[in-house]
Amino acid sequence: DTGVSQDPRHKITKRGQNVTFRCDPISEHNRLYWYRQTLGQGPEFLTYFQNEAQLEKSRLLSDRFSAERPKGSFSTLEIQRTEQGDSAMYLCASSASGGGQETQYFGPGTRLLVL
Amino acid sequence: AQTVTQSQPEMSVQEAETVTLSCTYDTSESNYYLFWYKQPPSRQMILVIRQEAYKQQNATENRFSVNFQKAAKSFSLKISDSQLGDTAMYFCAFMNHGGATNKLIFGTGTLLAVQP
Repeated sequence: DTGVSQDPRHKITKRGQNVTFRCDPISEHNRLYWYRQTLGQGPEFLTYFQNEAQLEKSRLLSDRFSAERPKGSFSTLEIQRTEQGDSAMYLCASSASGGGQETQYFGPGTRLLVL
Repeated sequence: AQTVTQSQPEMSVQEAETVTLSCTYDTSESNYYLFWYKQPPSRQMILVIRQEAYKQQNATENRFSVNFQKAAKSFSLKISDSQLGDTAMYFCAFMNHGGATNKLIFGTGTLLAVQP
């Protein structure tokens, strides 16, 4: 297993367009997280899945954002009607649950630029 | 709500020397984890070290060690024998163990430059 992967690594879009990002977690991990990181800041939590269930969404996640994790494997994060303020690095992380397995492992991120 | 504060935006150290990065946090929880993550320029975030709050012994990983002061809510990272490859942004992070999500709360980071 090569770790958490994300696709695409970079995305440039025009304001108002929709974009979708994909995250593939470490295969045995049932927990998946999305974070957003703006320049010079630490990552901020967006949403969390345990298996296929989305159990928490941050208030940062406006109704233009939607995330899914069908079958509890990969996850997608879609942003509709993008705005310039959506420009950021979107990070995905995964972890196992229980037994001291709470460490989250991060993917390389998707850098979004909205023009 | 929990908060994490890193008061040193940037630090510099000479190669082979020792440097300490500071982190303080605020929580009313008793069962939690603390982490240091490293984010090299244009590369992904990787775990450096973690500490369980119930453990009194400070965690160590090779050249990296922490000074965990639970009463003071302080969690500093010491890097010994600094190497050029240690140049990166370092983030301190808090996780409330036993919470619904185990989400991480990050500080704003410290940019460490190791000088040759």
